[in-house]
Amino acid sequence: DSGVTQTPKHLITATGQRVTLRCSPRSGDLSVYWYQQSLDQGLQFLIQYYNGEERAKGNILERFSAQQFPDLHSELNLSSLELGDSALYFCASSFQQGTGNTIYFGEGSWLTVV
Amino acid sequence: AQSVAQPEDQVNVAEGNPLTVKCTYSVSGNPYLFWYVQYPNRGLQFLLKYITGDNLVKGSYGFEAEFNKSQTSFHLKKPSALVSDSALYFCAVRLLRDDKIIFGKGTRLHILP
Repeated sequence: DSGVTQTPKHLITATGQRVTLRCSPRSGDLSVYWYQQSLDQGLQFLIQYYNGEERAKGNILERFSAQQFPDLHSELNLSSLELGDSALYFCASSFQQGTGNTIYFGEGSWLTVV
Repeated sequence: AQSVAQPEDQVNVAEGNPLTVKCTYSVSGNPYLFWYVQYPNRGLQFLLKYITGDNLVKGSYGFEAEFNKSQTSFHLKKPSALVSDSALYFCAVRLLRDDKIIFGKGTRLHILP
């Protein structure tokens, strides 16, 4: 168990809908990262937050947004869902940014868009 | 551009034989290097990392990796493979200046009984 908790584990929704994925980082970790893993695209970095502030942005679509709350949990919001958004979404956390601290991953949220 | 390459999509090794999963990187500055393993329908599990110091680092499940600065490589190794080592392995580089973490595409390791 990495200590990073993601909910829900599985989600099936229809095209055009909106979903929210939730992540609780390891106790004490300030950085949260979101990744998307699909069969053809590998592991894609979406966005990173550090202590409530956005710090880095990757290949995140405009239909997607995220935030990190004062209690350090994070949510990834996916809207106007398309079939191609079906993927495994990972959250990861680490203590500090820009260091050799290990990044720990949650078990992921499986999103299926039908 | 910063990148991590895992040149082999798949590696097949007989049980009991040594295994190597290759990783090379192209980044500016001194990166931190990581290896992760992913079992089916699971998250990525941390195996080991190189920060500084000894070029040979040891990690979980008997795995080790050798950092080679001149060849910009960080190959994952194990002296004797187990069937249970069959999984997807990811190499990653953490950049200090913007904390971006770049992953390779992954290498699927098959250990044949």
